[in-house]
Amino acid sequence: AQKVTQAQTEISVVEKEDVTLDCVYETRDTTYYLFWYKQPPSGELVFLIRRNSFDEQNEISGRYSWNFQKSTSSFNFTITASQVVDSAVYFCALSEDNSGGSNYKLTFGKGTLLTVNP
Amino acid sequence: EPEVTQTPSHQVTQMGQEVILRCVPISNHLYFYWYRQILGQKVEFLVSFYNNEISEKSEIFDDQFSVERPDGSNFTLKIRSTKLEDSAMYFCASRSPGRAWNQPQHFGDGTRLSIL
Repeated sequence: AQKVTQAQTEISVVEKEDVTLDCVYETRDTTYYLFWYKQPPSGELVFLIRRNSFDEQNEISGRYSWNFQKSTSSFNFTITASQVVDSAVYFCALSEDNSGGSNYKLTFGKGTLLTVNP
Repeated sequence: EPEVTQTPSHQVTQMGQEVILRCVPISNHLYFYWYRQILGQKVEFLVSFYNNEISEKSEIFDDQFSVERPDGSNFTLKIRSTKLEDSAMYFCASRSPGRAWNQPQHFGDGTRLSIL
């Protein structure tokens, strides 16, 4: 069974601080996919990034960066120089590539509420 | 950019009534999903749908729930006799064929269902 743990329920920072959101996952599959989604106060889910299990290369996109480490089953997300507009709930999610099927349902963590104060 | 659209954005229904939530997936997508998010909690998988049939459903998706793709464009979630605990945000998602790596799910903005 797949599981995603986001141990940080809430984080509060001051604008321009760097912040890292933790994500730890569990899966029995050797092929799987990891995602981060942002949920602003308006409620929609905004896709941020995906990684597959055979590509541990870290990624940077502007102020966002992601650190994927299979050895610790972690897929952490860092926002550099945070801004008030970054305030949202951030969800980490896992999808397994089981049995060659194509379902790819997402299992979400409980989310981390990030508040960036001016 | 194409997007998944959901209607209505907010639905208020009396307990015991039937409700239908509607979704229009992205036009060339073939895989469809419903998820639920109770207020303040995580997003939970309900059901996936492909080739006009359910491919997987969760424990939440009991006999009160059904899905349908009635006309090749809409994808609906029906709750037959709503309960108070059905109050939640319901998200529809769709994706193209292919591995999840390069074909992520695209989510609609959600329908907030309030059961009175």
